[in-house]
Amino acid sequence: GNSVTQMEGPVTLSEEAFLTINCTYTATGYPSLFWYVQYPGEGLQLLLKATKADDKGSNKGFEATYRKETTSFHLEKGSVQVSDSAVYFCALSMGTSYGKLTFGQGTILTVHP
Amino acid sequence: EPEVTQTPSHQVTQMGQEVILRCVPISNHLYFYWYRQILGQKVEFLVSFYNNEISEKSEIFDDQFSVERPDGSNFTLKIRSTKLEDSAMYFCASTPGGRTQYFGPGTRLLVL
Repeated sequence: GNSVTQMEGPVTLSEEAFLTINCTYTATGYPSLFWYVQYPGEGLQLLLKATKADDKGSNKGFEATYRKETTSFHLEKGSVQVSDSAVYFCALSMGTSYGKLTFGQGTILTVHP
Repeated sequence: EPEVTQTPSHQVTQMGQEVILRCVPISNHLYFYWYRQILGQKVEFLVSFYNNEISEKSEIFDDQFSVERPDGSNFTLKIRSTKLEDSAMYFCASTPGGRTQYFGPGTRLLVL
């Protein structure tokens, strides 16, 4: 079946450091790929998405590029802030427009001043 | 900005009891979902719902679970006889029809 694997966490960085959170997927066909973020005490919020190979999703300084050849969708940010501290989830959906999301295990990011 | 809401935020129940988790999806959305996250594990799909019927369900969604849209606004998940392993955070989500799903803040269920 379809699956998503995220890098082991948690990740702890100093403010203004470069962030990479790795995400790889296994899917039959061509999924849409997502990054969701969960801030403390809140629900999952869509951070960015990409729907086809070589697409780059971006939002709030975060970027991820859909790489079909490596089946990856790594999340990057050039300079993290304390306010970026959250749990980040990589996810995919297949097929129909109402298809279920398959999530990775989540990566806890903590940014220190 | 419209958002998905869920009640209660926390629920504690005794094993074997029935619980109903409530969600109010965004008003013009047509597709509804329940997911759960057991502490320390992945967010898992439970069920999707469209046009007043289940469109897909996972292996987790057995006969103990049911969903309902009793009126034009609420979307509920019922667990008939709770087990210890049902303790988790339950998320509701909705979408107007595109692939982006909008999530509620979750209900933390603890079964004792």
